[in-house]
Amino acid sequence: DAMVIQNPRYQVTQFGKPVTLSCSQTLNHNVMYWYQQKSSQAPKLLFHYYDKDFNNEADTPDNFQSRRPNTSFCFLDIRSPGLGDAAMYLCATSTELAGGHNEQFFGPGTRLTVL
Amino acid sequence: RKEVEQDPGPFNVPEGATVAFNCTYSNSASQSFFWYRQDCRKEPKLLMSVYSSGNEDGRFTAQLNRASQYISLLIRDSKLSDSATYLCVVNMRGNTPLVFGKGTRLSVIA
Repeated sequence: DAMVIQNPRYQVTQFGKPVTLSCSQTLNHNVMYWYQQKSSQAPKLLFHYYDKDFNNEADTPDNFQSRRPNTSFCFLDIRSPGLGDAAMYLCATSTELAGGHNEQFFGPGTRLTVL
Repeated sequence: RKEVEQDPGPFNVPEGATVAFNCTYSNSASQSFFWYRQDCRKEPKLLMSVYSSGNEDGRFTAQLNRASQYISLLIRDSKLSDSATYLCVVNMRGNTPLVFGKGTRLSVIA
């Protein structure tokens, strides 16, 4: 089945130790998103790619970087994780950015713990 | 005013009850509206889009009120399996990503 896959599902890292989260999709969607979601909060958009065009949200810390080497894969790099970066990280895709009724398809998320 | 606002709840309702949630949005030029459902520690999933004319899918009815800038979700005959967080999602302006509300938590009790 076409889907959005995230690996790993659970990631434990140490304070300051770089970590990479991965997302892949078989939907062939143009747009890929990374969200951070903390408990009882809305998903917070970090950045998105429209094809190869990278769009960073204004309030996304420099600590967060992303790569999209091809249509199917997108990575989230956290260069120096802090305790405040512990959260669920959600990858999503859509055919287009918005307008109309373009659904976003979410992966199952990676739950990051920072020790 | 926040871009998308929802009552966080929780709404605790008995099985079979009818429950309604509202969500307000700040940008009058917003174009697209959705309700997503998120189960505990799971990813959000699309429940339904919200059309200008309103739409219904089984026990779920969504309405849009552009004049007052809110959307609503009505759930009839609540089931235990409806227990989840319901996220209001809005496209604030063309060609930009969607904006999520914090969600309204629903607990349906036997």
